[in-house]
Amino acid sequence: DQQVKQNSPSLSVQEGRISILNCDYTNSMFDYFLWYKKYPAEGPTFLISISSIKDKNEDGRFTVFLNKSAKHLSLHIVPSQPGDSAVYFCAARLTDSWGKLQFGAGTQVVVTP
Amino acid sequence: GAVVSQHPSWVICKSGTSVKIECRSLDFQATTMFWYRQFPKQSLMLMATSNEGSKATYEQGVEKDKFLINHASLTLSTLTVTSAHPEDSSFYICSARGRQDYEQYFGPGTRLTVT
Repeated sequence: DQQVKQNSPSLSVQEGRISILNCDYTNSMFDYFLWYKKYPAEGPTFLISISSIKDKNEDGRFTVFLNKSAKHLSLHIVPSQPGDSAVYFCAARLTDSWGKLQFGAGTQVVVTP
Repeated sequence: GAVVSQHPSWVICKSGTSVKIECRSLDFQATTMFWYRQFPKQSLMLMATSNEGSKATYEQGVEKDKFLINHASLTLSTLTVTSAHPEDSSFYICSARGRQDYEQYFGPGTRLTVT
């Protein structure tokens, strides 16, 4: 039962432009949402998170938007840089679950010059 | 801060042998650690949740007698793959819950190949 979904397996964007990654979820009991970046053969790196009581969080080039009524969140990266090329995972945390995260399938981002 | 290390980074073993993977939180105390495995081009699959000083909680479908988890201290958790088989070959990643309980920091992963 996939409760966190990233429907776009890949995204190609030009350097300097905005990258928009989308994530949908089905469980209304998620209380935190996180985005991770992962390079091959490495562990995921935490990027940014958002509480379910907020609708926007910004950190440098990264902004996460949460639309709770639509059960949808997105990650905006602007401007995109070649070093941003990686797989991005959306993750959601269930309330009272020792912090267990459920991950989406990931979106491969390729930033072209 | 919030660095998690794993050792070894890669290991090759023969079928039937056991392999131990260590996960350490280097600059913070982690009461809860998690173990994941990732198959090529797939998402991270949570295997178990490990709380310091207590037995690990395994996800459905994960054999607890095959994947032994020990969380002996606030900075160390180990995963032992017992009687390894080729189908256990995978990328194993640990994570540790940080000071803010929604944060989770990941180790660099361990590539296990069973021949």
